[in-house]
Amino acid sequence: GAGVSQTPSNKVTEKGKYVELRCDPISGHTALYWYRQSLGQGPEFLIYFQGTGAADDSGLPNDRFFAVRPEGSVSTLKIQRTERGDSAVYLCASSRFQGTPLHFGNGTRLTVT
Amino acid sequence: QKEVEQNSGPLSVPEGAIASLNCTYSDRGSQSFFWYRQYSGKSPELIMSIYSNGDKEDGRFTAQLNKASQYVSLLIRDSQPSDSATYLCAVNIQGGGNKLTFGTGTQLKVEL
Repeated sequence: GAGVSQTPSNKVTEKGKYVELRCDPISGHTALYWYRQSLGQGPEFLIYFQGTGAADDSGLPNDRFFAVRPEGSVSTLKIQRTERGDSAVYLCASSRFQGTPLHFGNGTRLTVT
Repeated sequence: QKEVEQNSGPLSVPEGAIASLNCTYSDRGSQSFFWYRQYSGKSPELIMSIYSNGDKEDGRFTAQLNKASQYVSLLIRDSQPSDSATYLCAVNIQGGGNKLTFGTGTQLKVEL
């Protein structure tokens, strides 16, 4: 079946603006994860959903970041008052159940100017 | 100390040789270990998972886990230029819920 889908693939925004990044997981996968990856680094955990609820949001850097998954499928990562330091590739991953391997989407490259 | 550590490389090996990639982790209670391959500009792709001590083989890839030494490795036999990529070690840290913690990755270059 189709893999994890992320839109947009690229997003350029001005400092201070609001952005939304969308993730459509693999059908039937109950767990959904958001990671952020900067150049030369490994993916950094942001938040994890099991179903509709955020099971672990300990990786969100501050209150400008928020994510939702209202129907237990598609998720949106929302960033308010963007800063240049938010520039990175935002990766979404899903897994069939808790503890099973993660499958990543192609990411959204966010550039804040 | 970082939770998951890898040598950033680059690790250069000639075509046909064995590439050995290493990873150490800090939490002794960790249970699940994964290797991901990431080509430049692409997303990570799962290539191996390992959960118990010893070796696990899949084609040209062998993952090795030693929980006593808190060490996991990936061997790539008969390395090909198409294996050139960054290899990310990921660990499910005990007490970390179900999230994976990644190392910074090791860049592998397979030279003709």
